[in-house]
Amino acid sequence: DSGVTQTPKHLITATGQRVTLRCSPRSGDLSVYWYQQSLDQGLQFLIQYYNGEERAKGNILERFSAQQFPDLHSELNLSSLELGDSALYFCASSPDRPNSPLHFGNGTRLTVT
Amino acid sequence: GQQVMQIPQYQHVQEGEDFTTYCNSSTTLSNIQWYKQRPGGHPVFLIQLVKSGEVKKQKRLTFQFGEAKKNSSLHITATQTTDVGTYFCAGIKFSSGSARQLTFGSGTQLTVLP
Repeated sequence: DSGVTQTPKHLITATGQRVTLRCSPRSGDLSVYWYQQSLDQGLQFLIQYYNGEERAKGNILERFSAQQFPDLHSELNLSSLELGDSALYFCASSPDRPNSPLHFGNGTRLTVT
Repeated sequence: GQQVMQIPQYQHVQEGEDFTTYCNSSTTLSNIQWYKQRPGGHPVFLIQLVKSGEVKKQKRLTFQFGEAKKNSSLHITATQTTDVGTYFCAGIKFSSGSARQLTFGSGTQLTVLP
């Protein structure tokens, strides 16, 4: 158990809809990262937050947004969903010390029909 | 931007054979980390390499960091079915302040045939 909690585990929705994915980081970790993994693909970095502030942005679409709340949990909002958004979305947390690893949650599998 | 290439994309081996995956960065890295993702699972941290030319071993796994800190490899000796999964490298660069940029390679999916 990595200590990172992601909900929901599975999400099935229709095109054009909006969903929110939730992540609770490990206790004490200030950084939260979001990654997208499509079938048999690598980990595409979306966005990183550190202690409530956006720190780095990757290949995140304008239809996607995220935030980190004062209690350090984070939400990833995906809107105007398209079939191609179907993927596994991982959240990872880290204390963000220079040599600290990322601890990944179990992911949310999003299916857009 | 920083790019990290990883080869091969897929590798099938017979149980007992060796396996190697290679990671190459377009820029000099500060550190490199390796992760393993079992089928249906999430990536799990294996190890971090920091020094130029560093070699670390974990049982049958040997990790190397190149002298120029632009490439790395993971070698598994005598693979077992428990080694099945996707192995990712993640290159790390430190920018201004303490912010770090972490870029994952595309991963090597290892299949071990019994």
